[in-house]
Amino acid sequence: NAGVTQTPKFQVLKTGQSMTLQCAQDMNHNSMYWYRQDPGMGLRLIYYSASEGTTDKGEVPNGYNVSRLNKREFSLRLESAAPSQTSVYFCASSEWEGGREQYFGPGTRLTVT
Amino acid sequence: AQTVTQSQPEMSVQEAETVTLSCTYDTSENNYYLFWYKQPPSRQMILVIRQEAYKQQNATENRFSVNFQKAAKSFSLKISDSQLGDTAMYFCAFMKPMDSSYKLIFGSGTRLLVRP
Repeated sequence: NAGVTQTPKFQVLKTGQSMTLQCAQDMNHNSMYWYRQDPGMGLRLIYYSASEGTTDKGEVPNGYNVSRLNKREFSLRLESAAPSQTSVYFCASSEWEGGREQYFGPGTRLTVT
Repeated sequence: AQTVTQSQPEMSVQEAETVTLSCTYDTSENNYYLFWYKQPPSRQMILVIRQEAYKQQNATENRFSVNFQKAAKSFSLKISDSQLGDTAMYFCAFMKPMDSSYKLIFGSGTRLLVRP
């Protein structure tokens, strides 16, 4: 049981390049989330998907797009990377019932030069 | 909008002693959840403890316990018998269930150093 996995672990992009961050969970959770963590700050929600087939904006969605490919996978795309998007990105998943806790992936450290 | 405030950027404690991390939040909601997450140097976010707002009893998980004061909107974390492995960033988080999604709002974190 791997939990939540993210690829890649590290990435360096030049300004204007695009990339997709991949996330998958094997816990059969309905909801999935993308957060970013900047130095000295807590995590901030970028986008979330309450269930397969739905996505919604979070607190800081500008410059990002997401795709809920199926129940397991939720990807985050940067179409034209900017230095302000240098951050650590976390994917998480949760179930509707139970303790409501979110389970996090190991994170992706992205640097945009 | 809900906000979460952690007023202690850094704290230090001697191994085997007790330390309390503070968290306050602002909400007009009555039903919600509160969490403490630990982030060690490995960067992994690990759930430490959870509190449902409708429960008056404070949550406890082994050496970790909370002091939940709903009227004061305060949610502090007490770590007893501190261990070197407790060295990490600790984040307080608020969740209000909205429809079928559960979005977390995080504080800015407290960096805890456990000294040998």
